[in-house]
Amino acid sequence: DVKVTQSSRYLVKRTGEKVFLECVQDMDHENMFWYRQDPGLGLRLIYFSYDVKMKEKGDIPEGYSVSREKKERFSLILESASTNQTSMYLCASSLGRMRTSGGRLAKNIQYFGAGTRLSVL
Amino acid sequence: DAKTTQPTSMDCAEGRAANLPCNHSTISGNEYVYWYRQIHSQGPQYIIHGLKNNETNEMASLIITEDRKSSTLILPHATLRDTAVYYCIVITYNFGNEKLTFGTGTRLTIIP
Repeated sequence: DVKVTQSSRYLVKRTGEKVFLECVQDMDHENMFWYRQDPGLGLRLIYFSYDVKMKEKGDIPEGYSVSREKKERFSLILESASTNQTSMYLCASSLGRMRTSGGRLAKNIQYFGAGTRLSVL
Repeated sequence: DAKTTQPTSMDCAEGRAANLPCNHSTISGNEYVYWYRQIHSQGPQYIIHGLKNNETNEMASLIITEDRKSSTLILPHATLRDTAVYYCIVITYNFGNEKLTFGTGTRLTIIP
């Protein structure tokens, strides 16, 4: 089974602190994603990465940065946490591009971690 | 990506089939229909996806209408553990570049 592990389930930080959210996947997936989920707003993509050291902005990258130094690890960084960054953060990974299995295109399913509920006070 | 419309909430008796509808009337020819669910306090979980043919796996069945403007997810024998929010998503199969845009989904409650 694919496992996506997020380092913390719950985190409480103070305004202005630098916050690191870590995500590790064990399936050699190429793609990794960071989303945040807020009531009434659904899931919104912050950043994604399709390779080591590569990153792409999602819909709401402001106030965040990411780091992917190793294939299995994707970190989300809040440089200076603010109260409007209080949210549930979800990490996901997926297989990658142009993969085939038995002659069929591989399903590009995103596998999610359990989430980190971050509160910024 | 095409937008989807789902009912806000549904109830289903335990042991019965749960049928969750999704409308995606603006779907284009290269867009797939994906279903995920999110059980309380957990990350979303993939259920099934399809293009135009009906699909079945160990979790559920997906019925897509011939015009592809709507689909139905079927949980054949619902259990209490199927209580969750179910999301229908339409995305282009870009081999990994696609983002998942979850709307508010359908909150399915299985009644004992």
